[in-house]
Amino acid sequence: DAMVIQNPRYQVTQFGKPVTLSCSQTLNHNVMYWYQQKSSQAPKLLFHYYDKDFNNEADTPDNFQSRRPNTSFCFLDIRSPGLGDAAMYLCATSRDGQAEETQYFGPGTRLLVL
Amino acid sequence: GQNIDQPTEMTATEGAIVQINCTYQTSGFNGLFWYQQHAGEAPTFLSYNVLDGLEEKGRFSSFLSRSKGYSYLLLKELQMKDSASYLCAVIDSNYQLIWGAGTKLIIKP
Repeated sequence: DAMVIQNPRYQVTQFGKPVTLSCSQTLNHNVMYWYQQKSSQAPKLLFHYYDKDFNNEADTPDNFQSRRPNTSFCFLDIRSPGLGDAAMYLCATSRDGQAEETQYFGPGTRLLVL
Repeated sequence: GQNIDQPTEMTATEGAIVQINCTYQTSGFNGLFWYQQHAGEAPTFLSYNVLDGLEEKGRFSSFLSRSKGYSYLLLKELQMKDSASYLCAVIDSNYQLIWGAGTKLIIKP
């Protein structure tokens, strides 16, 4: 089945220790998104890619970076995680980023910072 | 600023009907989504409205009034598995998806 896959589902890291979250998709969609979602809050868009065209949201901290080496894979790098970065990180895709298109989400990676 | 308002939490009884409201103030409008999110899981698509009126899809219906900046999600014949958060999200004039914080729906037997 075509899907969005995120690994790992749970990630524990230490304060200040770099961590990378990964996302892959078999939907062959052009657009990939990274969201941060804290408990009982709306998902917050961090980045999105249209193909390899990178779009950084204005209020995304410099501590967060992203890479999309090919159509299928996208990575979220957190250079120096702080306690406030503990959250669920959701990867999503859409076919072409048009208004009416559904976003398909992966299961998320829950990040815990110790 | 851009704002999506939804009730934080609602409680309903199994087998009953519940309506979850969403009001929005955004810079432009290009459609409204409803997503369902079970605890600890990713959001899944429920509905998309871009024109005024009611869209029915099985037990779930979604209504939109663009002039009022208002939408609701109607869930009929509630089942225990419908316990989840329901997120309203609006596409603004820049084609950015603006998310509400979600309404946590608790279903009681």
